[in-house]
Amino acid sequence: DAGVTQSPTHLIKTRGQQVTLRCSPKSGHDTVSWYQQALGQGPQFIFQYYEEEERQRGNFPDRFSGHQFPNYSSELNVNALLLGDSALYLCASSLAWGPGANVLTFGAGSRLTVL
Amino acid sequence: LAKTTQPISMDSYEGQEVNITCSHNNIATNDYITWYQQFPSQGPRFIIQGYKTKVTNEVASLFIPADRKSSTLSLPRVSLSDTAVYYCLVGDWGGSASKIIFGSGTRLSIRP
Repeated sequence: DAGVTQSPTHLIKTRGQQVTLRCSPKSGHDTVSWYQQALGQGPQFIFQYYEEEERQRGNFPDRFSGHQFPNYSSELNVNALLLGDSALYLCASSLAWGPGANVLTFGAGSRLTVL
Repeated sequence: LAKTTQPISMDSYEGQEVNITCSHNNIATNDYITWYQQFPSQGPRFIIQGYKTKVTNEVASLFIPADRKSSTLSLPRVSLSDTAVYYCLVGDWGGSASKIIFGSGTRLSIRP
């Protein structure tokens, strides 16, 4: 049973460019959350998707947007990249309801470097 | 949203029992306590979750006193591979009720 898969694993962009990161949730999970993790810091919550809608959002600008598809997979888009966007981007999936809602399964992350 | 406080770092030796305490004075009635482990350049991994009293699984135990204002993650007989960052989270995320917020975690270093 595959866990959470993310792609690409590494990528390098230049300032001002746009990037799209992809995530496939664990089988049976219907909720996807995205996190940004800078070196030496804890993961910072970006947003969460359920039923193809953004349900919760952290303190991130509108340059960060997302999408959830009918098969529960998700994309994170970042426009007008800044040097400070360089980080490990983590996708996590979970169930929307019940005790499983409090248990996140994380992918290995996408390492974004902005030059 | 309950805020958590954990030690920034801890050191121990192989074979020892390690206890990491997390304070969450403002925990709400419906909140669960969940711990994650993270290795460098990997996503966090769920360790254990509890609501009250004691929970034990194959890798750890979680002790929660009656007032639930703190919790202690206990790792029995640690090995070098337990060197990681450990995060304590408190909340009830059913139905996307709230954001799942990570703090800075506790950096655990295990020495031979």
